[in-house]
Amino acid sequence: DAGVIQSPRHEVTEMGQEVTLRCKPISGHNSLFWYRQTMMRGLELLIYFNNNVPIDDSGMPEDRFSAKMPNASFSTLKIQPSEPRDSAVYFCASSFGSSRPQHFGDGTRLSIL
Amino acid sequence: AQSVTQLDSHVSVSEGTPVLLRCNYSSSYSPSLFWYVQHPNKGLQLLLKYTSAATLVKGINGFEAEFKKSETSFHLTKPSAHMSDAAEYFCVVSDNDDYKLSFGAGTTVTVRA
Repeated sequence: DAGVIQSPRHEVTEMGQEVTLRCKPISGHNSLFWYRQTMMRGLELLIYFNNNVPIDDSGMPEDRFSAKMPNASFSTLKIQPSEPRDSAVYFCASSFGSSRPQHFGDGTRLSIL
Repeated sequence: AQSVTQLDSHVSVSEGTPVLLRCNYSSSYSPSLFWYVQHPNKGLQLLLKYTSAATLVKGINGFEAEFKKSETSFHLTKPSAHMSDAAEYFCVVSDNDDYKLSFGAGTTVTVRA
């Protein structure tokens, strides 16, 4: 079975540029999560969608970050404009119901120069 | 509110010897507890979940964990370490099956040949 698929796996770009991260959840899962992982702060929940609707975006750092889920099989996380402090590994996870175990993708390693 | 403390940041074992990763939690409600493993450049993979059905939980790859309410602990063990077990391990808690997960800081496991 295909797991959570994220693209790109690596992204290097200059500060000020727009960055778009993509996620395809596991088919049939109706909950989707975006996380950020850094050495200093560990894993942080950025946003949670249920049935394509954003339920909790309290973890989104600031207005430069936005996330969408136009349908059940696709979500994006966008950073505009990007800054060096956004450098991190971004993970997407999905689950069948918000209380079920979350399944993680392999992440996007983002470097902002 | 929930929180997790992983008592060891790094554990080194010889191949074929037992592995013990210690985790203490705090939770205001009935906790859901998980162990995840993260191999280099990969996402988090679920090892096991405590569901309150049994205090001893068996997971994948020979791992198991014991829930001890009186000690607020959820330690992870494996009788015989394999080289492929070298990775980072996260103890995770949520309150009442809530979608919000609290991650421990992680324990890095090194396996010596």
